[in-house]
Amino acid sequence: EPEVTQTPSHQVTQMGQEVILRCVPISNHLYFYWYRQILGQKVEFLVSFYNNEISEKSEIFDDQFSVERPDGSNFTLKIRSTKLEDSAMYFCASSEAGQGSTGELFFGEGSRLTVL
Amino acid sequence: DQQVKQNSPSLSVQEGRISILNCDYTNSMFDYFLWYKKYPAEGPTFLISISSIKDKNEDGRFTVFLNKSAKHLSLHIVPSQPGDSAVYFCAATPGGYQKVTFGTGTKLQVIP
Repeated sequence: EPEVTQTPSHQVTQMGQEVILRCVPISNHLYFYWYRQILGQKVEFLVSFYNNEISEKSEIFDDQFSVERPDGSNFTLKIRSTKLEDSAMYFCASSEAGQGSTGELFFGEGSRLTVL
Repeated sequence: DQQVKQNSPSLSVQEGRISILNCDYTNSMFDYFLWYKKYPAEGPTFLISISSIKDKNEDGRFTVFLNKSAKHLSLHIVPSQPGDSAVYFCAATPGGYQKVTFGTGTKLQVIP
C-alpha cells in the first residue's frame, strides 16, 4: 500500500540552527501538508501546498518556516532558526483530488524535532 | 481557539462492549467531520467521516453520528476489540481543501 515517508525520524538540534524535514508524499497525490503535535497537545495545521505554491498557512507558520517541492517527489519543511518551542512531532500529509477536499489526509509517521 | 473539542482525554472499555467517543465543535463553517486513529510512533490514520448533510455514517464496526443543532458528533465502535486501543482524534474542515482542524484526542483502551 502506498505511504507517505518522512526523514529523519528524529532530529536533535541546537537553538538557532536551521533544520530541514523531508517528506515523500504518495506519488499520485497533488496536495501536501505539514502538521505538528507538541507533546500532549493537539495536532496543529501549519501549511498546505498545491501546484507549487502555498494555498493556506496558519499563524504558526511565520517567516522562520518555509516549504518547498524541489523535485517531483520530495516535499520539505525548513525552519531557519529553531527555537525551543519548535520542539514537536512534525507530520507530513498528502491527499489526492476528491478525498482531500473532504479532509481525508494520508499522514507519514512523523519526524520528532528536539531543540536544545 | 479550540474549534474542535474532545472533553474526555481517556476512555476504558471492556472487549466486546460499545465504545463511544464524543466531540464538540464551534465553527458553523465546518462541512466535513472526520475521525482519525493514531497508534504510538505512527501518524494519524483516517478512520471514517461524515458530511454535514448527513446525520449518520456507518462502516463496519464504526459509526459516526452528527447532531448539527448541538454541534456534536460521536464515534461508536461495536464491538470493541483490543486492537482498537489507540488515540482517536476528532477533526473537521470546511472542505474545498481548506485546513483540517483536530481536537486534542481521546485515548481509548480496550481491556481484554
